[in-house]
Amino acid sequence: DIVTTQSPAILSVSPGESATLSCRASQSIASKLAWFQKKPGQSPRLLIYDASTRATGVPARFSGRGFGREFTLTISSLQSEDVAVYYCQQHDNWPLTFGGGTKVEIK
Amino acid sequence: QITLKESGPTLMKPTQTLTLTCTFSGFSLTNNGVGVGWIRQPPGKALEWLALIAWDDDKRYSPSLRSRVTVAKDTSKNQVVLTMTHMDPLDTATYYCGHYYYPTSGYPPVGLNWGQGMLVTVSS
Repeated sequence: DIVTTQSPAILSVSPGESATLSCRASQSIASKLAWFQKKPGQSPRLLIYDASTRATGVPARFSGRGFGREFTLTISSLQSEDVAVYYCQQHDNWPLTFGGGTKVEIK
Repeated sequence: QITLKESGPTLMKPTQTLTLTCTFSGFSLTNNGVGVGWIRQPPGKALEWLALIAWDDDKRYSPSLRSRVTVAKDTSKNQVVLTMTHMDPLDTATYYCGHYYYPTSGYPPVGLNWGQGMLVTVSS
C-alpha cells in the first residue's frame, strides 16, 4: 500500500495569513493526489484532485501543487470557515489511502 | 443535483454482520466512469477508505478488510450495499458513501460527492 504522511499535525494560523500543508507519499504517485476538508459533523469535501485541479465550487484561495512524492495544499488568506482537518489521499493506485490529517486552527 | 444517503443499523453487537445501504440520485451507476465507494471515520481518528464498486461492476477493497467486506450494486434502485462481517468495537465509526469519478482512464477515481454519514456503534 502507498502510505501518505501529512505534516504538521496541527497548524495555527492568524486570520488572513497563508497556511501551507504538506503531504508525502511513500513512493512516486505522479500527480495523483487529492485533498479533502473535513469539519466535525460534516461530510468530507473534495477540494483538489490531480494535485492541482480544484473541484467545482472550491474557492480560489485553495491551491495544490506537487509531483512525485511531495505535495502541498496552500490556503491563502485563511478565513474562520477554513478551520477543519485536511486530509490528503492518493488516487494513483489501489487501495486508495488517506494521510493522517492536518488540523488547521485560527491563532 | 447529486445526493447520497446512508441507511442501516446504528447499534451492532460484536460478531454481527453490518449491512449499510447507500441510496443515491443525480447520477447512474450504469454510466461510464462512475463509481460508489465507502469510507469511515472512527471517533477522533482519520478517514479510512473501505471499498468501491464501479459502473462496470469492478470491485475494490481495502486489503485490511478484504476478508470481511463486500459491495454490490442495484442499478434499478440506485443503491449500493456494503456488507461487513464479524463486527468489532473497533469498527465503531461514521460510515460515508461517496460518488466517485474517474478523471483519468486507467487510474483510480476520486470521491466528488458524499452522503451525510451515519454513526455505527459496536458494543456488547
